[in-house]
Amino acid sequence: DADVTQTPRNRITKTGKRIMLECSQTKGHDRMYWYRQDPGLGLRLIYYSFDVKDINKGEISDGYSVSRQAQAKFSLSLESAIPNQTALYFCATSGEVNEQFFGPGTRLTVL
Amino acid sequence: GNSVTQMEGPVTLSEEAFLTINCTYTATGYPSLFWYVQYPGEGLQLLLKATKADDKGSNKGFEATYRKETTSFHLEKGSVQVSDSAVYFCALPGGTSYGKLTFGQGTILTVHP
Repeated sequence: DADVTQTPRNRITKTGKRIMLECSQTKGHDRMYWYRQDPGLGLRLIYYSFDVKDINKGEISDGYSVSRQAQAKFSLSLESAIPNQTALYFCATSGEVNEQFFGPGTRLTVL
Repeated sequence: GNSVTQMEGPVTLSEEAFLTINCTYTATGYPSLFWYVQYPGEGLQLLLKATKADDKGSNKGFEATYRKETTSFHLEKGSVQVSDSAVYFCALPGGTSYGKLTFGQGTILTVHP
């Protein structure tokens, strides 16, 4: 079984809808991250959490919110989706060192 | 904060050709350096890393040497295969916040038979 899972894997929605992307991990890591990937722009950090009570904005947090429900779960929400949020979204975790472990990604399309 | 500049792609090679993907960085001190690979339809996975200057990271025939003099961490492979077709990302810690990584923009590699 995968160590980091994301649901859904693909989602098509309409402008203005609320969307939640979920991430679960079985690695026992405290640190979790949400990134978005756009062609030619690499990965950009949206939010990160170093433990259940710690939530931090990344470089592109506007239009997004997160919830850390437990050590193993970290959800990303788009309160009112817009077309320029169409992207590939990745969840990642890390332990005591800088190496990060990624989920398979969620492809989100906002029409 | 720390930053990384990665060779722009895409890169197209024939099987068994030599590969170099350039990566240079700007950082405070001497942070660990990473190469991640993303195969089609998958998330990123760590390919190799180097934790201090002059270290060489290696995995699956790929190598990269941490060069502090030139602030570089170029990825090389002597003979690429079709299965190496993927997107490659150079990365380093994002700064003072432990655990965060800053990624390059990625280089798309396509290897033809």
